[in-house]
Amino acid sequence: ETGVTQSPTHLIKTRGQQVTLRCSSQSGHNTVSWYQQALGQGPQFIFQYYREEENGRGNFPPRFSGLQFPNYSSELNVNALELDDSALYLCATRGEGPYNEQFFGPGTRLTVL
Amino acid sequence: GENVEQHPSTLSVQEGDSAVIKCTYSDSASNYFPWYKQELGKRPQLIIDIRSNVGEKKDQRIAVTLNKTAKHFSLHITETQPEDSAVYFCAADNYGQNFVFGPGTRLSVLP
Repeated sequence: ETGVTQSPTHLIKTRGQQVTLRCSSQSGHNTVSWYQQALGQGPQFIFQYYREEENGRGNFPPRFSGLQFPNYSSELNVNALELDDSALYLCATRGEGPYNEQFFGPGTRLTVL
Repeated sequence: GENVEQHPSTLSVQEGDSAVIKCTYSDSASNYFPWYKQELGKRPQLIIDIRSNVGEKKDQRIAVTLNKTAKHFSLHITETQPEDSAVYFCAADNYGQNFVFGPGTRLSVLP
């Protein structure tokens, strides 16, 4: 198993609510990416943080936002939750350089009712 | 931006047979192509990767081939075993920043 952890494991919210998901980076990894994986689909890139700055974003609305902290842990915040936000949210961390292997966390299963 | 297609979406093979999964990508600037295995309820795990300066890479029963001219790459699993049953995802790097994933292939190895 990797050193990447995520919390919580599961979460149930209702439409319109806000949620914060957390990711703890593997030691030495300064880059974190967040992905949304809907049931039966591949992970979709949300955004990436490198040394506390967002340096890439996928096709997700501004209500998806994030933070990276000095210890390289990270948060994903989603405001005004919609039913379609129900998915597995994965973070992945990697070290310096563009082509290094990324290590996924176990994911947070978000259900929006 | 990069777009990755993957075929087939489902694949059933008899134990001991070979399995092949094919992916195509759109952006010729992509240079790194990882393959992930995801078991039910678990995180994706890297099983093999290939960089654009290599045409083929092998690791025991798993091999990946890359054709940069045609912009396609393939995963080959030989002597399949029941524990190979999972969803497999190919991916391509997007300007060295993030990864674009294919939609996945559900592999079932029948005993």
